[in-house]
Amino acid sequence: AIWMTQSPSLLSASTGDRVTISCRMSQGISSYLAWYQQKPGKAPELLIYAASTLQSGVPSRFSGSGSGTDFTLTISCLQSEDFATYYCQQYYSFPYSFGQGTKLEIK
Amino acid sequence: QVQLQESGPGLVKPSQTLSLTCTVSGGSISSGSYYWSWIRQPAGKGLEWIGRIYTSGSTNYNPSLKSRVTISVDTSKNQFSLKLSSVTAADTAVYYCARGIAVAGAYFDYWGQGTLVTVSS
Repeated sequence: AIWMTQSPSLLSASTGDRVTISCRMSQGISSYLAWYQQKPGKAPELLIYAASTLQSGVPSRFSGSGSGTDFTLTISCLQSEDFATYYCQQYYSFPYSFGQGTKLEIK
Repeated sequence: QVQLQESGPGLVKPSQTLSLTCTVSGGSISSGSYYWSWIRQPAGKGLEWIGRIYTSGSTNYNPSLKSRVTISVDTSKNQFSLKLSSVTAADTAVYYCARGIAVAGAYFDYWGQGTLVTVSS
């Protein structure tokens, strides 16, 4: 199984800030990484797949980068609706797995 | 617009079998290159992939649950289902069904709203 380390677990920021979330793999996964946003009481929503491809309808302030073992989700110019929990997911090998999550809260 | 909806009992007794169904609307479950997955999330915790099925019937399961999980598909009803046997309190979670895009693996572009299943006597 592939172990994933997502950091930080909690991130405090203000509207308009630029933030980055990291996801590190225990072994290389090429670019088979997705990012999701989850709001309380709701299902996760796909933001990015293939490490850096923006899902249709997702605002361009979201971006992803990385390959191999180190990946980053960046949100430029935070909006109020971006305060949520974010998860990375690897789909390189079974079992598919998710990071522990990063809760983005208002400072 | 594809939509997924989970259904099934919200309360299951310990040692019994949890059974959920996911109904897909807005498209045929058999069309395209998609896998159909179950994912769960205990309250306040992260996401755990349970397993997936292709419309051919081919399945893959998380080894941590493999001995207790069965996922099946009914293309005539546009549904797929989850059975988890010998449940304990540790299986209490929100269960999601999701569509996976089959691209050398799968990421999930459509999710159901989730259904809370509590294991308790």
